Amino acid sequence: GNSVTQMEGPVTLSEEAFLTINCTYTATGYPSLFWYVQYPGEGLQLLLKATKADDKGSNKGFEATYRKETTSFHLEKGSVQVSDSAVYFCALTPLASGNTPLVFGKGTRLSVIA
Amino acid sequence: GAVVSQHPSWVICKSGTSVKIECRSLDFQATTMFWYRQFPKQSLMLMATSNEGSKATYEQGVEKDKFLINHASLTLSTLTVTSAHPEDSSFYICSAHRRHRNQPQHFGDGTRLSIL
Repeated sequence: GNSVTQMEGPVTLSEEAFLTINCTYTATGYPSLFWYVQYPGEGLQLLLKATKADDKGSNKGFEATYRKETTSFHLEKGSVQVSDSAVYFCALTPLASGNTPLVFGKGTRLSVIA
Repeated sequence: GAVVSQHPSWVICKSGTSVKIECRSLDFQATTMFWYRQFPKQSLMLMATSNEGSKATYEQGVEKDKFLINHASLTLSTLTVTSAHPEDSSFYICSAHRRHRNQPQHFGDGTRLSIL
């Protein structure tokens, strides 16, 4: 079946530090991959996505590259800010269409301190 | 701005009460909406897939009679937690897929349900 594994948190970083949150997946075929962010008390917001191998998704300084050979989609940011403190979810859908439910990882809580 | 509106955002009620949560797609038609449940500090678990004009498809282990889903129009799906008990306390989130578009789903802001 389809599954997503991401590194367990919490992750605590100082402001301007480099961030990596690892995510690997198991899926049949060619899934679409996503990173969602959840700020305290809020719903999920799409952070970035990639729909095929070697695609790089990017947004707000965050990046992730779809690596089919390693079945990975690691999230990176060169310099984190306090406002980046949130829970980050890696997710996939087995098809490119959005008309299928998402399979989520367990989430990684990031705390950035000034 | 928000493209999916979920209401209420927070509800506290007594055990035995039934609670209805609405999920509306704003300015677009959604043939499919998904309902997820999130326990504290855990991931989202798919509860059911709601299709306009037909019965919802529930995931294994989710009680159909407990969590009633109605998708009466292309812009509205409702989740009713019937005779709620403290173990139903959770964060419920809906998402909607924009019809005729190959785009990611849009999520509502979630509903925090607390049963006393």
